Amino acid sequence: EDKVVQSPLSLVVHEGDTVTLNCSYEVTNFRSLLWYKQEKKAPTFLFMLTSSGIEKKSGRLSSILDKKELFSILNITATQTGDSAIYLCAFYFGNEKLTFGTGTRLTIIP
Amino acid sequence: SQTIHQWPATLVQPVGSPLSLECTVEGTSNPNLYWYRQAAGRGLQLLFYSVGIGQISSEVPQNLSASRPQDRQFILSSKKLLLSDSGFYLCAWSRSFASPLHFGNGTRLTVT
Repeated sequence: EDKVVQSPLSLVVHEGDTVTLNCSYEVTNFRSLLWYKQEKKAPTFLFMLTSSGIEKKSGRLSSILDKKELFSILNITATQTGDSAIYLCAFYFGNEKLTFGTGTRLTIIP
Repeated sequence: SQTIHQWPATLVQPVGSPLSLECTVEGTSNPNLYWYRQAAGRGLQLLFYSVGIGQISSEVPQNLSASRPQDRQFILSSKKLLLSDSGFYLCAWSRSFASPLHFGNGTRLTVT
């Protein structure tokens, strides 16, 4: 059975710290991995990764996929209070449906 | 640019009452449309998706149904709500399969 595990479940850090969020998976027919940020309402799209070892970067956020070890990480450097959110990873499998992990709740303390 | 509208933002309904949540997309044609539900402290669960008018795929057997009467309109319905239907309902669209989903602001449903 396909499985997506995000860790940690929650994380509290001080403003300015760097955080690493993890997403591991056991899936068949992997196609792509996506990261989303969810504040109060709609999840917003961050990255889509399809190739192993290629880093995607946007400002202080970056992500990389390891298809051999079956995981992805999302890094946030110099965290700000606006980074507080739930971070979701999701997968497209062979059946073309986007399946989400349960998320990591990140809290940034000023 | 594309926008997605979802309403209402919040809804409180008694058990046994009907439900209708509506979602519309602007700025694109023939999108894939999705309904997800997010229970408290849990991830997003796919309920329905649609690749075209009148085409609905159901992921979870339950007392909810979905319809797509127009290309950019997606409706989630129930004839009789259960307490377990409470949750945060999100509509989303994508250009095609395997492309990013873009979400509406959601409807928080409380069944009392």
